[in-house]
This record gives sequence, C-alpha cells and structure tokens, in this order.
Amino acid sequence: GQQVMQIPQYQHVQEGEDFTTYCNSSTTLSNIQWYKQRPGGHPVFLIQLVKSGEVKKQKRLTFQFGEAKKNSSLHITATQTTDVGTYFCAAPNTGNQFYFGTGTSLTVIP
Amino acid sequence: DGGITQSPKYLFRKEGQNVTLSCEQNLNHDAMYWYRQDPGQGLRLIYYSQIVNDFQKGDIAEGYSVSREKKESFPLTVTSAQKNPTAFYLCASSKQAGPANQPQHFGDGTRLSIL
Repeated sequence: GQQVMQIPQYQHVQEGEDFTTYCNSSTTLSNIQWYKQRPGGHPVFLIQLVKSGEVKKQKRLTFQFGEAKKNSSLHITATQTTDVGTYFCAAPNTGNQFYFGTGTSLTVIP
Repeated sequence: DGGITQSPKYLFRKEGQNVTLSCEQNLNHDAMYWYRQDPGQGLRLIYYSQIVNDFQKGDIAEGYSVSREKKESFPLTVTSAQKNPTAFYLCASSKQAGPANQPQHFGDGTRLSIL
C-alpha cells in the first residue's frame, strides 16, 4: 500500500532556530496533508497541499509540495516553545484511506 | 460546539475480555476512522467507514471489529483475539472520504492497557 516516509524521526532545536521535516513517497500523490500533535494530545489538521510546486504559509510555518508531487516539507522559522509536538504528513492511497507518516517529534530547548 | 467525543479516556482490559471504545461526532460528517498509535509511532488505520452501514478494513483490522449503525457513532471493539491491545486509540471523522480528501478531525483518544 501507499507509504510516506518521514524524516527526521526526532529533532531538538534551540528556541529561535529553524526546523524542517520532510515527507517522501515513491509514488505520485494527489494531495498531502499535515497535522500537529501536541504531547498527550490528538492530531490537529494544519493544511492540505494539492498543486504541484505549491507553497503555503501560516505565520512562521511554510509548507511545500514538490514539483513531482512525491515529496513535501514543513519548515518552521524561529521556533518557539509552543511549536513542541509531533508533526505528521498524511497522504491518500487509491482506496481513499489516508496513510500517516511516522512523524517528526520536535523538542524546542528554551 | 461541534466535535468528536471518545470515551472512556482510559480503559483497562483483562485477558480474554472484549472491550468497546465509544466514538460519537456531531459534525454531520459522513466518514469516520479508527487509528491505533503506539508510543513514538505514527497512526495506523484499523477500520474506516464512508457511510452508514458500511465499513472497510484498514491495515491492522485483525482482532478488532466495528459497526456503523448511525451516522454519529462508530464504536470500536477490541476483541480477545487482539493479543497486543495496549495503545492509544484515536477516532477521527471527515466530511467525506474519497478524492476530495477532506481534513480529518480527531477525538481526544482512549488509552487502553492490559491488566
């Protein structure tokens, strides 16, 4: 079935540093979604990317969808302690299910 | 406020026992999902339902069962056949399944442990 590989698995940054997580697929994706899960919480939808080469911004977060629609990235500029959590990408398969990446756990050191 | 309610928040299962996790949504969403999350892991799909009275197996359906008798409700039963049930279970819903791929809204989850 469809799988998305997400890297890195863990990332520790000093507050104020930038952070990036990447999702890669071996097949072309129709779209990709990004979610954030705070420690002890549930995933919360952040954004969906649909178009080739699409770039969307939410304040300090920048989301990109690759030209070939096989990869995506989430970049956080100048991290804050409120950014702590696990970031997941999710992509649909042919059966209309969503496959979630393994997630990147972000720790921000004050 | 609209949302998804999962209960209970914590659940303990004895050996050989079936337990049922509740998931109710008042978002008028057609599609509902059950995921399992193990520590430090991503979400794995157990079952999903695109419409009332219909559901499909996900990647790890063995040892689990579901029903979708009402649009608002999608309970998950963890049967005694599931030998390693300790995990965090998340229920989600979306306006519809299919190519439109609507965002999924998640409940707060149920943590299930074996006694």
